[in-house]
Amino acid sequence: GNSVTQMEGPVTLSEEAFLTINCTYTATGYPSLFWYVQYPGEGLQLLLKATKADDKGSNKGFEATYRKETTSFHLEKGSVQVSDSAVYFCALYGQNFVFGPGTRLSVLP
Amino acid sequence: NAGVTQTPKFRVLKTGQSMTLLCAQDMNHEYMYWYRQDPGMGLRLIHYSVGEGTTAKGEVPDGYNVSRLKKQNFLLGLESAAPSQTSVYFCASSPPREGSNTEAFFGQGTRLTVV
Repeated sequence: GNSVTQMEGPVTLSEEAFLTINCTYTATGYPSLFWYVQYPGEGLQLLLKATKADDKGSNKGFEATYRKETTSFHLEKGSVQVSDSAVYFCALYGQNFVFGPGTRLSVLP
Repeated sequence: NAGVTQTPKFRVLKTGQSMTLLCAQDMNHEYMYWYRQDPGMGLRLIHYSVGEGTTAKGEVPDGYNVSRLKKQNFLLGLESAAPSQTSVYFCASSPPREGSNTEAFFGQGTRLTVV
């Protein structure tokens, strides 16, 4: 079946540091790929998405590129802020939405 | 502009009690989902529905039942609650996977504790 693997957290960074959260997937066909973010006490919110190979999703300074050849969708941000502290979930949509385990990010001032 | 609404937000049950979680969406989405979120395990799909009157099992369906009598509502039932069902439950909805505008919209979650 379809599955998503993402790097284990927690990740702790200083403000303005560069962020990478790795995500790889296993799927039949050509799923759509997503990053969702969950702030404390809230539900998941869509951060960005890509629907086909080589598409780049971007939002709020975050980016991720759909790499079919490496089955990856790594999340990056050039300069993180304290307000980016949250849990980040990589997900794919094939037959259903399938989520990775989440990566907790803490950004220190 | 409600989106996906879950009730209740918090609940404490005794082992063996039953309850129903309600999910309502106002976006006319065909697909609806119930997930549970446990520490270190991400979101696991319990049941889902691809349209009114249809339901299907997800990854962890045991101990739960669902119904989709109306398109906008998706109910999750626990017939006899167990401590292992202590979790945060999320409902989500989405249009079918066609086109580039597909995404899942989530409710705020229900925190359930079974003692």
